[in-house]
Amino acid sequence: DAGVTQSPTHLIKTRGQQVTLRCSPISGHKSVSWYQQVLGQGPQFIFQYYEKEERGRGNFPDRFSARQFPNYSSELNVNALLLGDSALYLCASSPHTETSGEETQYFGPGTRLLVL
Amino acid sequence: RKEVEQDPGPFNVPEGATVAFNCTYSNSASQSFFWYRQDCRKEPKLLMSVYSSGNEDGRFTAQLNRASQYISLLIRDSKLSDSATYLCVVNYGDNYGQNFVFGPGTRLSVLP
Repeated sequence: DAGVTQSPTHLIKTRGQQVTLRCSPISGHKSVSWYQQVLGQGPQFIFQYYEKEERGRGNFPDRFSARQFPNYSSELNVNALLLGDSALYLCASSPHTETSGEETQYFGPGTRLLVL
Repeated sequence: RKEVEQDPGPFNVPEGATVAFNCTYSNSASQSFFWYRQDCRKEPKLLMSVYSSGNEDGRFTAQLNRASQYISLLIRDSKLSDSATYLCVVNYGDNYGQNFVFGPGTRLSVLP
């Protein structure tokens, strides 16, 4: 079975530009979460989506937005890029449901974003 | 105070050594706990979930103390392949939504 996939793998943008990152969850997983990982730190939670609804939001500015599609894939959008947005952006899928209690998250390989 | 704190590291140990990592969390309203490992420039991978009764998987043992808000990971008979960053993770979410909070990680280098 395919794991979590993300695209692109690497991206270079300049300040002020906009970027869209994509994620496909493991087949059967309905929950997708996004994380930002800056070098030397642990991943920081950005969003969680479940059944196309936003179920959680971390402490990130409104420049960050996301959505989930009917096939459970997801996009993360970042507007007005800043140098500090340079990071590894990780997507994780989970078999989480509102009744299962299964919480484990499985991560994709990430998109490495560099803002110049 | 950060929500999840870990030993600052790095830990440099010889092959065969036993090493222990500690993690504390600040919010008692936590639902579930995990250890992930992350190799350099790779994504985090689940190592093990952590239960109140403690759990063991081969050379790895995880313990949870809810009263002290403390989680530990013990690695016995360290291998070169254990070299990685170990991330302590606390899920503050519930059945409505997940909220995984990661610690900063502790880096382990197992030396020949």
